[in-house]
Amino acid sequence: DQQVKQNSPSLSVQEGRISILNCDYTNSMFDYFLWYKKYPAEGPTFLISISSIKDKNEDGRFTVFLNKSAKHLSLHIVPSQPGDSAVYFCAASAGNEKLTFGTGTRLTIIP
Amino acid sequence: DAGVIQSPRHEVTEMGQEVTLRCKPISGHDYLFWYRQTMMRGLELLIYFNNNVPIDDSGMPEDRFSAKMPNASFSTLKIQPSEPRDSAVYFCASSRRGQGLYEQYFGPGTRLTVT
Repeated sequence: DQQVKQNSPSLSVQEGRISILNCDYTNSMFDYFLWYKKYPAEGPTFLISISSIKDKNEDGRFTVFLNKSAKHLSLHIVPSQPGDSAVYFCAASAGNEKLTFGTGTRLTIIP
Repeated sequence: DAGVIQSPRHEVTEMGQEVTLRCKPISGHDYLFWYRQTMMRGLELLIYFNNNVPIDDSGMPEDRFSAKMPNASFSTLKIQPSEPRDSAVYFCASSRRGQGLYEQYFGPGTRLTVT
């Protein structure tokens, strides 16, 4: 039972355009969400997070939006750069250190 | 500051053999996590420790899997006997309460192939 779902296994975006990665969750106890980025042959690295008391968090080119009523969050990357090509994982916490991850979305930025 | 260290980076073994994966967390971190990555299920949490004590092992697939953390700087994940369906990338991660809410630092992973 996947409590965190990333329904798009892959996404291709032209360099300079906006990349939008989506994540849905089913557990209403989740109150903190994180995005991780993973390059081949490396471990995931933390990118950005958001608490359920907010609906938006921004860090440079990266913005995460949270829609609690829809149990949906998205990661926006503007503008997209070739170095952004990676697998992106959405993760959620129900108020403790245990994170539940999605299956990931492979983002390819086309030069 | 050294990151999370995992060994070996690659492991190829035959079905039925014992496999031991090793992890050294970041110094000062009090949480340690073991994950398995597969295409179908993404990153699955297998088990995590707090101050060397196992807190949640509900993700351990079956009794063939076991994990230990004898001290704050070392943990092992053992599979005995190994099966082809155990082939995956296994990650170790660590974190410290209060240093970035729930942010975990991952090692480079061990790619396990069971033939």
